[in-house]
Amino acid sequence: DTAVSQTPKYLVTQMGNDKSIKCEQNLGHDTMYWYKQDSKKFLKIMFSYNNKELIINETVPNRFSPKSPDKAHLNLHINSLELGDSAVYFCASSQVLGDAEAFFGQGTRLTVV
Amino acid sequence: LAKTTQPISMDSYEGQEVNITCSHNNIATNDYITWYQQFPSQGPRFIIQGYKTKVTNEVASLFIPADRKSSTLSLPRVSLSDTAVYYCLGGYQKVTFGTGTKLQVIP
Repeated sequence: DTAVSQTPKYLVTQMGNDKSIKCEQNLGHDTMYWYKQDSKKFLKIMFSYNNKELIINETVPNRFSPKSPDKAHLNLHINSLELGDSAVYFCASSQVLGDAEAFFGQGTRLTVV
Repeated sequence: LAKTTQPISMDSYEGQEVNITCSHNNIATNDYITWYQQFPSQGPRFIIQGYKTKVTNEVASLFIPADRKSSTLSLPRVSLSDTAVYYCLGGYQKVTFGTGTKLQVIP
């Protein structure tokens, strides 16, 4: 049973489209995150949610909108996709906010053409 | 937030001990130091965390000197499967992982 699962694993789409990436964790954790890893492998946080509340919102275009319907899910919706959005997006969770150990999903490789 | 600096890459032969040092000059008093490992096409995986002195688990050891301006991750007797990128983080928010150290283990 996968602890943090995200779908899809690969996503290829055209510029201007809207797409969503889903994330679910079955660990009972309170906190969930979205990270973006670019082509240079630099991994940076985008959002974090604690008990469905937005805690961290880094400098991310407002075309990116996270949604947390419940503690176990944190989805990422992206509007009007641009070439620069191509990256690997990782979802993660930790037991509580500030917990050092976070569990990551396998990643979603988004390619915008 | 503590800014961390690590070597971009390292090579090591199988069976050797590998030490990866990270500098974090502006680490805050209450910040912990955390290390993650990432294999290609996978998400990062937590390895170890420490505040000061030495911490050891089944995977690695972490050495933090008294001034806490640096830390050293020690991997005993590496194998080919330890080839990965290793990230050092300061602080608790896990805001940014930096570029990490790419460790290549050679047969």
